Amino acid sequence: DIQMTQSPSTVSASVGDRVTITCRASQSIRSWLAWYQQKPGQAPNLLIYKASSLESEVPSRFSGSASGTDFTLTISSLQPDDFATYYCQQYDSYPYTFGQGTKVEI
Amino acid sequence: VQLHQWGAGLLKPSETLSLTCGVSGGVFRGYFWSWIRQSPGKGLEWLGEITDSGNTNYNPSLKNRVTMSIDTPNDRFSLTLTSVTAADSAVYFCARGPPTVGVRYWGQGALVTVSS
Repeated sequence: DIQMTQSPSTVSASVGDRVTITCRASQSIRSWLAWYQQKPGQAPNLLIYKASSLESEVPSRFSGSASGTDFTLTISSLQPDDFATYYCQQYDSYPYTFGQGTKVEI
Repeated sequence: VQLHQWGAGLLKPSETLSLTCGVSGGVFRGYFWSWIRQSPGKGLEWLGEITDSGNTNYNPSLKNRVTMSIDTPNDRFSLTLTSVTAADSAVYFCARGPPTVGVRYWGQGALVTVSS
């Protein structure tokens, strides 16, 4: 299985901060990586697909980038609605796997 | 597109988990339909997928306990997991996708608890 190592596990930030979350794949996944936001009691919500494509209706403060097997989700200016847990997922090879999550908290 | 799932929420060890997901508001054919679960101990885990033609891919970690089926005329698909243990306690989500854009649509989630 491809291991997705996500860091940090927790981010303490304030409104307006720039936040960066990283996901490292244990082998090449090309660009088949998605980022999700999840709030308590809800299903995950797709933010970014194919490493850097912004999902429809997702605010432009969210962006994704890739460098080899390292992937980054950036929130350019944190808003109150962004306090949540974020997950990456590779969908290059079966079984698809997720990172362990990053909780963004105040 | 909306996914609505249902099934038994409380099971005893060794019983069989059965969940069904109905799809509305969009096209059913031509997509991959997945099951994903989430537990505090293991995070998010992809269980497998099925296409509208019935082709499946399962997570090997489930060791032949999992079966997915599809009912295309009624726009629904199902998950069966046999010989459950406490380790199978989780919130189970049905979903559409991947393969190209990740998981764009999710069910509301169903809490399944395995306890004697």
